[in-house]
Amino acid sequence: DIQMTQSPSTLSASLGDRVTITCRASQSISRWLAWYQQKPGQAPKVLIYQASNLQSGVPSRFSGSGSGTEFTLTITSLQPDDFATYYCLQYSSYMMYTFGQGTKLEIK
Amino acid sequence: QVQLVQSGAEVKKPGASVRVSCKASGYTFTGFFLHWVRQAPGQGLEWMGRINPNHGNTNYAQKFQGRVTMTRDTSVSTAYMDLSGLRSDDTAIYYCARVPDHGDYVEFWGQGTLVIVSS
Repeated sequence: DIQMTQSPSTLSASLGDRVTITCRASQSISRWLAWYQQKPGQAPKVLIYQASNLQSGVPSRFSGSGSGTEFTLTITSLQPDDFATYYCLQYSSYMMYTFGQGTKLEIK
Repeated sequence: QVQLVQSGAEVKKPGASVRVSCKASGYTFTGFFLHWVRQAPGQGLEWMGRINPNHGNTNYAQKFQGRVTMTRDTSVSTAYMDLSGLRSDDTAIYYCARVPDHGDYVEFWGQGTLVIVSS
C-alpha cells in the first residue's frame, strides 16, 4: 500500500501570509496527486489535480508542485476563506487510493 | 449539472449492517467511476473503494475487504455501499464521489450520510 505523510498537521498563519503544506508518498506516484480543501460540515472541494493543475474556478493563489514522492501545496496571500483543513490524495494505484492525514490551517 | 444525492442518516447497533445509497443525475451514470470515502467525527478522510457502474467491477481498500460491498443499479442510476459487522469506530460520515470527465481523482461529492453505530 502507498502511504501518504502530510505535514504539518496544524498550521497557524495570518491573513496575507504565504503557507506551504507537504505530502510525501512512501513510493513514487509520478504526478498522480490531488489537493482538497474541506470546511466544517461540508464535503471536500478539489483545488489541484495531477500535482500542479489548478481546478477550474479555484483562485490562482493556490498552487501545487512536485512529482515522484514529494509534493507541496502553496497558498499565497491568505484570505479569510482559506482557513480550513487541507488533504492530499494519491490516485496512482487504481486499486488503492490514499489520503494524507490532513492539515488544519488556523488563524494566528 | 452533476448531482449525487445520498440516503439519510442511519443509527445501527454493533454487529448490524448498513446500506448507503447514492443517486446520480446530470450525467451518464455508467460513464464514470464512483468512489466511497468516509470521515469519522473530527478525523481525516479515508478511501473505502470504488465501483465501475458500467461493469459493476469493484476495488476495495484492504482495510474493508470482507466487510464492504459496493453495487449499483443502472436502471435507477444509483450506487450502494453496504458495510457489515458494524463497530462503534464505523461511526462516520460516508460520502460517494465521482471522478471528473478526464481524470481519476474525485471531483464531485455527495452530501454525505451520517452513520452512527451505538448500542
